Parts: sequence; structure tokens; C-alpha cells
Amino acid sequence: DAGVTQSPTHLIKTRGQQVTLRCSPKSGHDTVSWYQQALGQGPQFIFQYYEEEERQRGNFPDRFSGHQFPNYSSELNVNALLLGDSALYLCASTLAGGSGANVLTFGAGSRLTVL
Amino acid sequence: GNSVTQMEGPVTLSEEAFLTINCTYTATGYPSLFWYVQYPGEGLQLLLKATKADDKGSNKGFEATYRKETTSFHLEKGSVQVSDSAVYFCALRGYGGSQGNLIFGKGTKLSVKP
Repeated sequence: DAGVTQSPTHLIKTRGQQVTLRCSPKSGHDTVSWYQQALGQGPQFIFQYYEEEERQRGNFPDRFSGHQFPNYSSELNVNALLLGDSALYLCASTLAGGSGANVLTFGAGSRLTVL
Repeated sequence: GNSVTQMEGPVTLSEEAFLTINCTYTATGYPSLFWYVQYPGEGLQLLLKATKADDKGSNKGFEATYRKETTSFHLEKGSVQVSDSAVYFCALRGYGGSQGNLIFGKGTKLSVKP
């Protein structure tokens, strides 16, 4: 049973560029959350998608946007990249409602370096 | 607002030593509390959880008790192994909050030497 898969694993961009990160949730899950983990810090919640809509958002600027597709996969887009956007971006999935509702399954992350 | 504070690392122990990683929280109402572990190059994995006061979560020899009176959720293990070397994160989900929205501490890196 595949867990959460993310791509790409690593990428390097320059300031001002745009990036798209992709996530496939664990089989059976329908809700996707995105987190930013700066070096030496804990993950910070960016937003959550359910039924193809953004349901909740953390304290991140509008440069961070997302999308969820009918197959529950998701993308995270970051525009006008800043040096401070360099981080590990984690995708996590869960099932809305039901016994699995409390447990998030995380992917291994996409490491973004902004030069 | 809600927040989590956990002890600074790194923590270095010898194999079979006793482990405690302190975690305290600030939250209104009755949050759910979690410990996640991150092995090198991997995503976070749920280690254990507790959803109400006095609950004890346990898994793989690790334990943590939800103490509302001290707003704490300290992680303990009686005898650590080299394979326990990882970064440990304490996290909470606010009462009534979305299951996808967790607030994490900064993490504590544990290194266990043979």
C-alpha cells in the first residue's frame, strides 16, 4: 500500500521564480495538508484541501497557493520565490471522518533551495 | 494562540539509557496531543497520541501521558536503542480543529550511541 508520495525530491530555484510541488495522498485518503519545515524547525501548516477546496489556511502569504484534483492529489505553488522559502515542504494526507480521521500520514517531502 | 514548546536538543544517550523529552503546550480547551518521529531522509511518522486528559499513549516502548494540570506531554522510553536515533516532534491539534492542522514544536534530535 503506497503511502504519501511527493515530487520532486529536490529542486533548486532562483529568487523570483515560481515552483510547483506535487503530492499523491495515501490510498483511501481524501484530505491533503501542506507544511513548510525550515531547517532546524518544526513543520508549519500552510493549508489544507478537501473536496478540491482550500478549507483552512495557516499564516502564509498569498504567494503560496494550492490545488486539489478530483483524484485527491494536490499541488503546492509558490510564486515570486524568496530566499526564505528554502525549506522542506511536506505533504500529509488523512481521511475526513471515520476512525482514521485523527492520523496524518506524511510524505518524505520536497526540499526546495532558493538561490 | 496555541503553541508547543519542547526541550532543546540535541540529546545524546548511550544504548539502554532512559529517555525523557519534555513537551509543554499552550492551548484553549482540550487539544489532542501527538508525538511524531522523523528518521533521516523520511517523512514524519506518528509515534503515539492522546486525545484527553490522563490518557497515556504508547508505542514501540515509548510512552507519554496527557497531563492537563501541568499542560505537559513528556515522551519517555525506559531503554533506548541505536535505532531510536531520530528527530522527535511534539504536536497538538486544537480542540475542534481540523485534523490536518497540527502545531509542532521545534523538534528534539536524539542520538543513541552503542
